[in-house]
Amino acid sequence: DIVMTQTPLSLSVTPGQPASLFCKSSQSLLQSDGKTYLYWYLQKSGQSPQLLIYEVSSRFSGVPDRFSGSGSGTDFTLEISRVEAEDAGVYYCMQGMHLPPWTFGQGTKVEIK
Amino acid sequence: QVQLVQSGAEVKKPGASVKVSCKTSGYIFTRYSMHWVRQAPGQGLEWLGWINPNNGDTNYAQKFQGRVTMTRDTSISTAYMELRRLKFDDTAKYYCVRSGFSWGQGTLVTVSS
Repeated sequence: DIVMTQTPLSLSVTPGQPASLFCKSSQSLLQSDGKTYLYWYLQKSGQSPQLLIYEVSSRFSGVPDRFSGSGSGTDFTLEISRVEAEDAGVYYCMQGMHLPPWTFGQGTKVEIK
Repeated sequence: QVQLVQSGAEVKKPGASVKVSCKTSGYIFTRYSMHWVRQAPGQGLEWLGWINPNNGDTNYAQKFQGRVTMTRDTSISTAYMELRRLKFDDTAKYYCVRSGFSWGQGTLVTVSS
């Protein structure tokens, strides 16, 4: 199975400051169709995970443009340009390429100072 | 809008079975894969498998082969996940997920003697 490794495991950010979260896969996620099936989710306390970014860099409907995704192959980044209080929670990356199974990173917990 | 509404919390004894439902609306049920993911208390996300609602084809994580069955009823746009021979460490919140994009609210399954 593909192993997804996220860093850091926790992050404390001042509102208005940027934040960068990293995700590394044990194998390339580039598919033969040219797409890379790397997703980013935010799970707020007591809620279901919600999709932020799909296919590395596409923002899901309704996601603020302060969230952006980048990367290729095995290395991926989620950036928040200016963190807001509502961005607190655990961020997960997930690879949806090699089925079975989907695999998730262990999560990065973001705390707002 | 897309909605995935899951059945209510369950408490089961070790060795029993549980069947969780996921009723969908707001999209054409047969056009999108349905996945099941679980999250043990305070832990990360674990994929159980998926079903193609169009033809009923399934693919399960190796860990759950022989214990899990995913089905669907296209007449009521509902997916089901049954887990058998429950163990204490199956205690978790179980989510249905439409193609990685939309998540149900989760169903807490507690295995307790």
